[in-house]
Amino acid sequence: SAVISQKPSRDICQRGTSLTIQCQVDSQVTMMFWYRQQPGQSLTLIATANQGSEATYESGFVIDKFPISRPNLTFSTLTVSNMSPEDSSIYLCSVIKGLSGNTIYFGEGSWLTVV
Amino acid sequence: ILNVEQSPQSLHVQEGDSTNFTCSFPSSNFYALHWYRWETAKSPEALFVMTLNGDEKKKGRISATLNTKEGYSYLYIKGSQPEDSATYLCAFMPQTNAGKSTFGDGTTLTVKP
Repeated sequence: SAVISQKPSRDICQRGTSLTIQCQVDSQVTMMFWYRQQPGQSLTLIATANQGSEATYESGFVIDKFPISRPNLTFSTLTVSNMSPEDSSIYLCSVIKGLSGNTIYFGEGSWLTVV
Repeated sequence: ILNVEQSPQSLHVQEGDSTNFTCSFPSSNFYALHWYRWETAKSPEALFVMTLNGDEKKKGRISATLNTKEGYSYLYIKGSQPEDSATYLCAFMPQTNAGKSTFGDGTTLTVKP
């Protein structure tokens, strides 16, 4: 299993500012994933954070808007830049572990509201 | 874009009722199908990881079945309790690039005492 700590758990942010979300895992993992869930939408993968190389972004997400750091095998950050109300979402980090490498574990989520 | 659909979108039942939800997913490039339970202000909790066609898994009053040939999975809750109230998510994990799971929109269950 994996225990994942995320912070902040909740924040209210001003339009135009940036916020960095931190994700700490209790064991070393090769890949960490960042998801978001906008109100009424499904969980959507933003990017895969790779240690030692640049993050891999999904269609519709760009590095300038969502810069990601992965300094070691247990930690990653996601920054939401120049926020607008459309960025109000739950942001989740996750890892894949398990005997078959097929179980996804999530952090508690960061609930961001942009005003 | 992979299509993972869940139905119904929401469900309101009385305590003691049994209920079930559906998740449909692509029948090709299948690696695993996950069911999660997500309560407000908590992290999604893995219920089942299903990998084989015909799989049937059970955890207490909750069980799930899997049909990979036709691309669907059912989640059953027997004798619903108020503490079962949550959003239930399914996620399709493809064989090529297992990291890129696609989630359904979820079924939100409310169990009234």
